[in-house]
This record gives sequence, C-alpha cells and structure tokens, in this order.
Amino acid sequence: NAGVTQTPKFQVLKTGQSMTLQCAQDMNHEYMSWYRQDPGMGLRLIHYSVGAGITDQGEVPNGYNVSRSTTEDFPLRLLSAAPSQTSVYFCASSYRPQGAEAFFGQGTRLTVV
Amino acid sequence: AQSVTQLDSQVPVFEEAPVELRCNYSSSVSVYLFWYVQYPNQGLQLLLKYLSGSTLVKGINGFEAEFNKSQTSFHLRKPSVHISDTAEYFCAVSVDQAGTALIFGKGTTLSVSS
Repeated sequence: NAGVTQTPKFQVLKTGQSMTLQCAQDMNHEYMSWYRQDPGMGLRLIHYSVGAGITDQGEVPNGYNVSRSTTEDFPLRLLSAAPSQTSVYFCASSYRPQGAEAFFGQGTRLTVV
Repeated sequence: AQSVTQLDSQVPVFEEAPVELRCNYSSSVSVYLFWYVQYPNQGLQLLLKYLSGSTLVKGINGFEAEFNKSQTSFHLRKPSVHISDTAEYFCAVSVDQAGTALIFGKGTTLSVSS
C-alpha cells in the first residue's frame, strides 16, 4: 500500500505565486487533514475534512483553501504565497471510527522567497 | 477550545536511563489523547492513544502513558531508553472523534546519548 502520498516533496515559490499541494490516500479513509510544522511550534491544523464534500477550518486556515471532491484526494491551495507560509506541510488520513490512528504523509517542504 | 502544553522542549538523557515526557491538556469536552513520534526527515508515527477505560496505556517500542483526568495530564514514560529513541515527540488531543483533526503540542526533543 502507498498509504498517504504527498507531492511535491520540495517546492520553492516566489511571493504572490499560487500552487496546490497534492495529497492522496489509498486506504479509503473518510477523514483527511492538513497541518503545517514550524520550528518550535509543533504541528498546527490548517483544514480538515470528514468526508467527500465536507471541509472545515482548523487553527490556522488563513491563506489556504481546500476542497474534497473524492474520498482519495484532499488538495491544499495557496492562492497568493507569502514568506510566512514557508513551512513543512503534512497531510494525514484516518478511518471514521473513534480514536483511529492518523496516518501521515512524508511532508512537503515549501519555501516562499 | 482544546489545547496541549508540552512542558519540556528538550530532554537529554543517557542510554538505559528512564525518561518522562510531560503533557498537559485543556478541553471542555471528553478528549481522546495521543502521542506521536517523528524521526528526522520523516512523517509522524503513532506511539499510543487513550480513548477510554484503563488510564495506563501501553504503546509501541516500550513506551507507556498515564491519563490523569484530575490533573489533565497525559505523561509519556519509558523505563529504559535506547539511542534509537532519539526523536521529536508530540502530544495531541482530538477535536473530533476520529483522531484525524488533531491539536498538537509544540513537541519535545528527546536526545539519548551513550
């Protein structure tokens, strides 16, 4: 099984550019989410989804958009990149039952210059 | 709103010594608590979780944690650490029942030396 796959692994953007971070899972998980990891800040929840067509905001949603048209995919869009969005981004998924383990991707390291 | 505080940002220990990584949480509703580990340049891996029942939870790699509702704590312990336990450890609480939408603490870096 591939598990949770994030692409790209590395990306450099110029301020103001837009891009989409891809996340796909092949485990038929209903729940998916995006986090950003910054030094000394831990992981902070950006957006999450409890199923296709349903999304909600997390702790730090500003500057990011998401959609969930299929169970497998949960892309994260940066509409106008800013240097403050330089971070490592992780996607995660889990089964619907209570307390299920979240499976994480390997991360995307994004630098905005 | 839920929040998690990891009380130590760095914990240096010698190999074969015991270790405790401290975690306190706040929540206005019932919580599900988790410990994840992150090895360098990798994603996160679940160590253990508390959903209900016994307050002592055992996880992988010899780790265990104790849920203390009165002190709102979920400290992680290991009686004897190895060099390979060097990693960053995150305590987390869930905002929904599935444990996917997690609120994380800022992390504790465990450094094990010989």
